[in-house]
Amino acid sequence: DVKVTQSSRYLVKRTGEKVFLECVQDMDHENMFWYRQDPGLGLRLIYFSYDVKMKEKGDIPEGYSVSREKKERFSLILESASTNQTSMYLCASTAGLSYNSPLHFGNGTRLTVT
Amino acid sequence: GENVEQHPSTLSVQEGDSAVIKCTYSDSASNYFPWYKQELGKGPQLIIDIRSNVGEKKDQRIAVTLNKTAKHFSLHITETQPEDSAVYFCAADPSGYSTLTFGKGTMLLVSP
Repeated sequence: DVKVTQSSRYLVKRTGEKVFLECVQDMDHENMFWYRQDPGLGLRLIYFSYDVKMKEKGDIPEGYSVSREKKERFSLILESASTNQTSMYLCASTAGLSYNSPLHFGNGTRLTVT
Repeated sequence: GENVEQHPSTLSVQEGDSAVIKCTYSDSASNYFPWYKQELGKGPQLIIDIRSNVGEKKDQRIAVTLNKTAKHFSLHITETQPEDSAVYFCAADPSGYSTLTFGKGTMLLVSP
């Protein structure tokens, strides 16, 4: 069974701090994604990566960056956290084409910025 | 870009009733339509999906229908059970590489 592990279940950070959210998958998947989930807004794609050291912007990349130094690990970085980045963050991975390999999600990191 | 509308936002049914959740999409390039179920405290999990060359797909009590002409797709759950209570998300993929656009979600509550 595919396992996507997000290192923290809950995080509380102060405005202006640099924040790292970590995600690791154990199935040698090529593709990894970061989504943000907010009530009434669903899931919105922040960044994704199709290979090591590669990254692509999603629909809402502003205020975020990512790092993929190893295939199994994909980090989301908030350069200077703001209160409007308080949210649930979901990491996901997949092996390839969507109809052959669906997205597998982690259980999320709930980030509060005060 | 793709836009996915999902209705209703909340749905309450009695155990044993059927539940239907509807979605529309805007990008005619979308060719893959998954449905995810999210239970409390967990990440979304795929429950069923359909490709654009198929009109209907069933898996036990769950079925999905797709009308490409109208850009509609729907999730049907029959004989609902309390464990079906969760938030359900539809999604569309215009790229084929899992850059999914999700609907806003439907909270389904099944009462015993």
